[in-house]
Amino acid sequence: SAVISQKPSRDICQRGTSLTIQCQVDSQVTMMFWYRQQPGQSLTLIATANQGSEATYESGFVIDKFPISRPNLTFSTLTVSNMSPEDSSIYLCSVGFAGGPNEQFFGPGTRLTVL
Amino acid sequence: AQSVAQPEDQVNVAEGNPLTVKCTYSVSGNPYLFWYVQYPNRGLQFLLKYITGDNLVKGSYGFEAEFNKSQTSFHLKKPSALVSDSALYFCAVRDYGGATNKLIFGTGTLLAVQP
Repeated sequence: SAVISQKPSRDICQRGTSLTIQCQVDSQVTMMFWYRQQPGQSLTLIATANQGSEATYESGFVIDKFPISRPNLTFSTLTVSNMSPEDSSIYLCSVGFAGGPNEQFFGPGTRLTVL
Repeated sequence: AQSVAQPEDQVNVAEGNPLTVKCTYSVSGNPYLFWYVQYPNRGLQFLLKYITGDNLVKGSYGFEAEFNKSQTSFHLKKPSALVSDSALYFCAVRDYGGATNKLIFGTGTLLAVQP
């Protein structure tokens, strides 16, 4: 397993601004993922954060809107850029280990409200 | 494409009674299935998974799930519900088509256990 922390835990932002969310893991992990959970809905994968290379984005998500960094095997950031009220969601970081169809472990999430 | 369906938005059960949260899946190969629980204002916690082997899988907090290939189902069960089990439950399937270990989540089922 892994212990994952996220910062900030919540934030209220003005439209047009950007917010960077940090994800820290207590051990080196192969895979890191960023999900969005809109109010009352399920989780949607935004992108896979690849260490040392550009993130792999899912359909409907683009790098200009959600730039991601992963400088090492224990840390990643997700930036929500030029925010609008539609970006109000919980953003979750998760990690996975190689070597089979293993479960992912999730951070506590960042609750973002855009006014 | 892989997918999971959770047909019930909410399940109500009295404390001490058995509970079932339903999940059906659609995959093109061998199914790798997962259950997660989300408590209010918390991230997702892994409960159990089915990869191969016995159809009855035991997990955390006394939960178990039964894999049924003919019915393409993976229902979550517990013999005796607790009020503290009240939470949002997600079924997930591993996606073969994209990033390694990418999870596809169902829409979630809110479990309400009445004292």
